[in-house]
Amino acid sequence: KAGVTQTPRYLIKTRGQQVTLSCSPISGHRSVSWYQQTPGQGLQFLFEYFSETQRNKGNFPGRFSGRQFSNSRSEMNVSTLELGDSALYLCASSLKGVLDTGELFFGEGSRLTVL
Amino acid sequence: DAKTTQPNSMESNEEEPVHLPCNHSTISGTDYIHWYRQLPSQGPEYVIHGLTSNVNNRMASLAIAEDRKSSTLILHRATLRDAAVYYCIPPAGSQGNLIFGKGTKLSVKP
Repeated sequence: KAGVTQTPRYLIKTRGQQVTLSCSPISGHRSVSWYQQTPGQGLQFLFEYFSETQRNKGNFPGRFSGRQFSNSRSEMNVSTLELGDSALYLCASSLKGVLDTGELFFGEGSRLTVL
Repeated sequence: DAKTTQPNSMESNEEEPVHLPCNHSTISGTDYIHWYRQLPSQGPEYVIHGLTSNVNNRMASLAIAEDRKSSTLILHRATLRDAAVYYCIPPAGSQGNLIFGKGTKLSVKP
């Protein structure tokens, strides 16, 4: 079956701009969670959406937001970009969500560079 | 929220067993421990998870200490493809915040 698809794979933005990243989960999965990965901080949880509702949220400022559509596809948005937002953004899909013991399936990520 | 401690890096020779340790002394009695790994330029992938007794699958074995304060991921015969960062992950906290930490970077020498 098709895996988790993230688009775009690479993008470059300048400070102050905004960016929208997309994640298409595995068919049938209702949970999509988002993560930021940087060399200094490692892999950090951003938020999780389940059946179009944000269910959990990590410790990130309000500039980071997301949404989920009825087909479970999810988008995350970062507004007023800062240099420190340069990172690999990963999404993961699962049947029941991050609080369950089930497996998370990750995409290959979207690498954002902020200049 | 539960936390884990792992060594920053480990080295292994190809075709030898590798034991990757993880300390999770703060997890509760009903918490599962999950292991994921991240190959270079890829997203993390699930390896194994367990609660109390030892667990085996096609990728690895997970040995959980009797007091559940630590566990060890065992790769029985390391291959070059096993070179990756291995994450030992406690269950998500009350806010659903999964903590991956920095993991253990495993290098495999031919």
